[in-house]
Amino acid sequence: TQLLEQSPQFLSIQEGENLTVYCNSSSVFSSLQWYRQEPGEGPVLLVTVVTGGEVKKLKRLTFQFGDARKDSSLHITAAQPGDTGLYLCAGRQRGNSGYALNFGKGTSLLVTP
Amino acid sequence: NAGVTQTPKFRVLKTGQSMTLLCAQDMNHEYMYWYRQDPGMGLRLIHYSVGEGTTAKGEVPDGYNVSRLKKQNFLLGLESAAPSQTSVYFCASSQNYGYTFGSGTRLTVV
Repeated sequence: TQLLEQSPQFLSIQEGENLTVYCNSSSVFSSLQWYRQEPGEGPVLLVTVVTGGEVKKLKRLTFQFGDARKDSSLHITAAQPGDTGLYLCAGRQRGNSGYALNFGKGTSLLVTP
Repeated sequence: NAGVTQTPKFRVLKTGQSMTLLCAQDMNHEYMYWYRQDPGMGLRLIHYSVGEGTTAKGEVPDGYNVSRLKKQNFLLGLESAAPSQTSVYFCASSQNYGYTFGSGTRLTVV
Protein backbone atom coordinates (compact mmCIF):
# COMPACT_ATOMS: atom_id res chain seq x y z
CA THR A 1 0.00 0.00 0.00
CA GLN A 2 1.41 3.36 -1.07
CA LEU A 3 1.42 5.83 1.80
CA LEU A 4 1.45 8.84 -0.50
CA GLU A 5 -0.65 8.87 -3.67
CA GLN A 6 0.29 11.31 -6.39
CA SER A 7 -1.94 12.39 -9.26
CA PRO A 8 -1.82 12.57 -12.11
CA GLN A 9 0.88 10.01 -12.92
CA PHE A 10 1.65 11.63 -16.27
CA LEU A 11 1.00 15.12 -17.57
CA SER A 12 1.80 16.49 -21.01
CA ILE A 13 1.08 20.16 -21.58
CA GLN A 14 2.14 23.03 -23.80
CA GLU A 15 4.35 25.90 -22.77
CA GLY A 16 2.39 28.64 -21.04
CA GLU A 17 -0.28 26.40 -19.52
CA ASN A 18 -0.94 26.10 -15.79
CA LEU A 19 -1.02 22.78 -13.93
CA THR A 20 -1.54 21.31 -10.49
CA VAL A 21 -0.09 18.11 -9.08
CA TYR A 22 -1.62 16.47 -6.02
CA CYS A 23 -0.17 14.40 -3.19
CA ASN A 24 -2.69 12.69 -0.89
CA SER A 25 -2.58 10.37 2.09
CA SER A 26 -4.77 9.04 4.87
CA SER A 27 -1.85 9.55 7.26
CA VAL A 28 -0.72 12.71 9.03
CA PHE A 29 2.76 14.02 8.30
CA SER A 30 4.92 16.26 10.46
CA SER A 31 6.48 17.67 7.30
CA LEU A 32 6.17 17.25 3.58
CA GLN A 33 8.64 17.94 0.81
CA TRP A 34 8.60 18.25 -2.96
CA TYR A 35 11.49 17.15 -5.15
CA ARG A 36 12.16 17.37 -8.88
CA GLN A 37 14.15 14.69 -10.66
CA GLU A 38 15.63 14.82 -14.15
CA PRO A 39 16.60 11.69 -16.13
CA GLY A 40 19.84 10.14 -14.91
CA GLU A 41 20.04 12.35 -11.84
CA GLY A 42 18.99 12.21 -8.22
CA PRO A 43 15.99 14.16 -6.91
CA VAL A 44 16.58 17.79 -5.97
CA LEU A 45 14.70 19.38 -3.09
CA LEU A 46 12.30 22.17 -4.08
CA VAL A 47 10.52 22.97 -0.82
CA THR A 48 9.70 21.76 2.69
CA VAL A 49 6.36 22.59 4.35
CA VAL A 50 5.82 21.92 8.04
CA THR A 51 2.70 23.82 9.14
CA GLY A 52 -0.86 22.83 8.24
CA GLY A 53 -2.30 25.34 5.75
CA GLU A 54 1.14 26.63 4.84
CA VAL A 55 1.64 28.09 1.37
CA LYS A 56 5.09 28.62 -0.11
CA LYS A 57 5.98 30.22 -3.42
CA LEU A 58 9.11 29.60 -5.44
CA LYS A 59 8.96 31.84 -8.53
CA ARG A 60 6.22 30.22 -10.69
CA LEU A 61 5.74 27.27 -8.31
CA THR A 62 3.24 27.40 -5.44
CA PHE A 63 3.19 24.68 -2.79
CA GLN A 64 0.40 24.12 -0.29
CA PHE A 65 0.20 21.86 2.77
CA GLY A 66 -3.30 20.80 3.71
CA ASP A 67 -4.84 22.02 6.97
CA ALA A 68 -4.97 18.44 8.30
CA ARG A 69 -1.38 17.76 7.17
CA LYS A 70 -2.48 14.79 5.06
CA ASP A 71 -2.16 16.29 1.60
CA SER A 72 -0.26 18.77 -0.50
CA SER A 73 -0.37 20.34 -3.92
CA LEU A 74 2.11 21.85 -6.34
CA HIS A 75 0.84 24.45 -8.79
CA ILE A 76 2.96 25.66 -11.71
CA THR A 77 1.98 28.85 -13.49
CA ALA A 78 2.89 29.39 -17.13
CA ALA A 79 4.87 26.15 -17.47
CA GLN A 80 8.12 26.20 -19.41
CA PRO A 81 10.03 23.35 -21.12
CA GLY A 82 12.61 23.63 -18.33
CA ASP A 83 9.93 22.48 -15.87
CA THR A 84 9.92 19.03 -17.51
CA GLY A 85 10.81 16.29 -15.04
CA LEU A 86 9.54 13.89 -12.42
CA TYR A 87 7.96 15.61 -9.42
CA LEU A 88 8.03 13.65 -6.17
CA CYS A 89 6.32 14.37 -2.89
CA ALA A 90 7.78 12.92 0.30
CA GLY A 91 6.47 12.95 3.84
CA ARG A 92 7.91 12.39 7.28
CA GLN A 93 5.61 10.77 9.78
CA ARG A 94 5.84 11.53 13.49
CA GLY A 95 8.07 8.94 15.06
CA ASN A 96 10.16 8.30 11.98
CA SER A 97 13.71 8.26 13.20
CA GLY A 98 16.47 10.07 11.40
CA TYR A 99 14.08 12.06 9.22
CA ALA A 100 13.30 8.96 7.09
CA LEU A 101 10.88 9.87 4.32
CA ASN A 102 8.09 8.04 2.50
CA PHE A 103 7.95 8.98 -1.19
CA GLY A 104 5.07 9.04 -3.63
CA LYS A 105 5.52 7.38 -7.02
CA GLY A 106 5.84 10.72 -8.75
CA THR A 107 4.21 12.78 -11.48
CA SER A 108 6.03 12.82 -14.79
CA LEU A 109 5.60 16.25 -16.44
CA LEU A 110 6.39 17.03 -20.07
CA VAL A 111 6.18 20.62 -21.24
CA THR A 112 6.45 21.08 -25.00
CA PRO A 113 7.29 24.39 -26.72
CA ASN B 1 31.20 21.48 -3.60
CA ALA B 2 30.72 17.74 -4.25
CA GLY B 3 27.71 17.06 -1.98
CA VAL B 4 26.90 13.34 -2.20
CA THR B 5 29.05 11.13 -4.40
CA GLN B 6 28.08 7.59 -5.39
CA THR B 7 30.38 5.02 -6.94
CA PRO B 8 30.14 3.22 -9.26
CA LYS B 9 27.61 4.87 -11.61
CA PHE B 10 26.87 1.67 -13.54
CA ARG B 11 27.43 -2.00 -12.84
CA VAL B 12 26.38 -5.33 -14.28
CA LEU B 13 26.49 -8.35 -11.97
CA LYS B 14 25.85 -12.01 -12.48
CA THR B 15 23.36 -13.72 -10.19
CA GLY B 16 25.10 -14.75 -6.99
CA GLN B 17 27.93 -12.22 -7.20
CA SER B 18 28.56 -9.71 -4.47
CA MET B 19 29.35 -6.02 -4.58
CA THR B 20 29.51 -2.88 -2.47
CA LEU B 21 28.09 0.50 -3.39
CA LEU B 22 29.89 3.45 -1.86
CA CYS B 23 28.29 6.73 -0.81
CA ALA B 24 30.37 9.67 0.42
CA GLN B 25 29.12 13.06 1.64
CA ASP B 26 31.18 16.13 2.46
CA MET B 27 28.51 18.19 4.26
CA ASN B 28 29.02 16.71 7.74
CA HIS B 29 25.43 15.46 7.71
CA GLU B 30 24.35 13.23 10.57
CA TYR B 31 21.81 11.11 8.67
CA MET B 32 22.33 8.97 5.58
CA TYR B 33 19.97 6.78 3.56
CA TRP B 34 19.90 4.21 0.79
CA TYR B 35 16.87 4.09 -1.51
CA ARG B 36 16.07 2.05 -4.61
CA GLN B 37 13.97 3.41 -7.44
CA ASP B 38 12.02 1.08 -9.70
CA PRO B 39 9.51 1.89 -12.47
CA GLY B 40 6.01 2.12 -11.04
CA MET B 41 7.26 1.69 -7.47
CA GLY B 42 8.82 5.02 -6.62
CA LEU B 43 11.65 5.45 -4.14
CA ARG B 44 11.75 2.85 -1.38
CA LEU B 45 13.96 3.04 1.69
CA ILE B 46 16.40 0.13 2.09
CA HIS B 47 18.47 1.09 5.14
CA TYR B 48 19.40 4.28 6.89
CA SER B 49 21.78 5.60 9.55
CA VAL B 50 21.21 8.23 12.23
CA GLY B 51 24.90 8.62 12.98
CA GLU B 52 28.36 7.12 12.75
CA GLY B 53 28.33 3.48 13.80
CA THR B 54 24.52 3.13 13.62
CA THR B 55 22.29 1.51 11.00
CA ALA B 56 18.59 0.67 10.80
CA LYS B 57 16.28 -1.21 8.44
CA GLY B 58 13.94 0.58 6.11
CA GLU B 59 11.01 -0.65 4.05
CA VAL B 60 12.86 -3.18 1.83
CA PRO B 61 16.04 -4.34 3.66
CA ASP B 62 16.14 -8.03 2.65
CA GLY B 63 19.21 -9.02 0.64
CA TYR B 64 21.17 -5.91 1.61
CA ASN B 65 23.59 -4.97 4.37
CA VAL B 66 25.03 -1.59 5.28
CA SER B 67 27.83 -0.10 7.33
CA ARG B 68 28.64 3.40 8.55
CA LEU B 69 32.13 3.19 10.05
CA LYS B 70 32.89 6.83 9.25
CA LYS B 71 30.41 9.70 9.41
CA GLN B 72 30.99 10.68 5.79
CA ASN B 73 30.60 7.22 4.26
CA PHE B 74 27.64 4.85 3.98
CA LEU B 75 28.20 1.51 2.25
CA LEU B 76 25.51 -0.71 0.77
CA GLY B 77 26.40 -4.37 0.23
CA LEU B 78 24.78 -7.09 -1.81
CA GLU B 79 26.11 -10.47 -0.64
CA SER B 80 24.45 -12.63 -3.32
CA ALA B 81 22.87 -10.56 -6.06
CA ALA B 82 19.50 -11.56 -7.50
CA PRO B 83 17.72 -10.31 -10.66
CA SER B 84 15.09 -8.71 -8.38
CA GLN B 85 17.82 -6.35 -7.19
CA THR B 86 18.13 -4.80 -10.64
CA SER B 87 17.35 -1.16 -9.91
CA VAL B 88 18.69 2.37 -9.62
CA TYR B 89 20.14 2.95 -6.16
CA PHE B 90 20.23 6.41 -4.60
CA CYS B 91 22.12 7.51 -1.55
CA ALA B 92 21.03 10.64 0.33
CA SER B 93 22.15 12.57 3.36
CA SER B 94 20.45 15.12 5.58
CA GLN B 95 20.97 17.14 8.72
CA ASN B 96 17.25 17.73 9.20
CA TYR B 97 14.39 17.96 6.71
CA GLY B 98 16.00 18.35 3.33
CA TYR B 99 17.75 15.50 1.61
CA THR B 100 20.74 15.85 -0.71
CA PHE B 101 20.81 12.97 -3.16
CA GLY B 102 23.64 11.46 -5.14
CA SER B 103 23.27 10.90 -8.86
CA GLY B 104 22.58 7.20 -8.50
CA THR B 105 24.02 3.78 -9.36
CA ARG B 106 22.31 1.80 -12.09
CA LEU B 107 22.70 -1.90 -11.24
CA THR B 108 21.71 -4.73 -13.53
CA VAL B 109 21.77 -8.33 -12.27
CA VAL B 110 21.69 -10.94 -15.04
